[in-house]
Amino acid sequence: GAGVSQSPSNKVTEKGKDVELRCDPISGHTALYWYRQSLGQGLEFLIYFQGNSAPDKSGLPSDRFSAERTGGSVSTLTIQRTQQEDSAVYLCASSLSRGLSNFGPGTRLTVT
Amino acid sequence: GIQVEQSPPDLILQEGANSTLRCNFSDSVNNLQWFHQNPWGQLINLFYIPSGTKQNGRLSATTVATERYSLLYISSSQTTDSGVYFCAVVNDYKLSFGAGTTVTVRA
Repeated sequence: GAGVSQSPSNKVTEKGKDVELRCDPISGHTALYWYRQSLGQGLEFLIYFQGNSAPDKSGLPSDRFSAERTGGSVSTLTIQRTQQEDSAVYLCASSLSRGLSNFGPGTRLTVT
Repeated sequence: GIQVEQSPPDLILQEGANSTLRCNFSDSVNNLQWFHQNPWGQLINLFYIPSGTKQNGRLSATTVATERYSLLYISSSQTTDSGVYFCAVVNDYKLSFGAGTTVTVRA
């Protein structure tokens, strides 16, 4: 069984462009999370999915950020009109309900 | 939300030394995880430990939920133990992370 995978591993984009980050959770994991880690900082919660629903979007920093999950599996985090402060590593995790969370390798986003 | 505090923020060890990392949290939690973030940024699960003590090789962890703290012990440290150690508590469904302890093990 593969772990959580994320793509791309690195993304460099120009300020103002839109980006999509993808997460493939562990098969069968119902819960999926997105976190953000800025340089030298801890992990900041962005959004939580249970199945395809997002009962907690409280961590999304602005309306430029959105996320969806389809088929209870793959999730996409979209950042519109990127800003330099969006530069960070975006981490995805999945778990069986309230169980052990497994993290993917992350996507390093650099906005120039 | 739940506050998670880790100490010390930084730790420098000589290879072979033992150390203890601490995690305090402000409210009751469903569970607690310890992670090691390696130099490539990957978060590796170390322990999933709501209470009691677990051991995995040279690492062990103890959580005293009633007193709202957890300890991570590293024994006979090796250079490969370097990295950032995070404690994260689970309240309902969400992981809330501490700021981490950066461990540097010198040969």
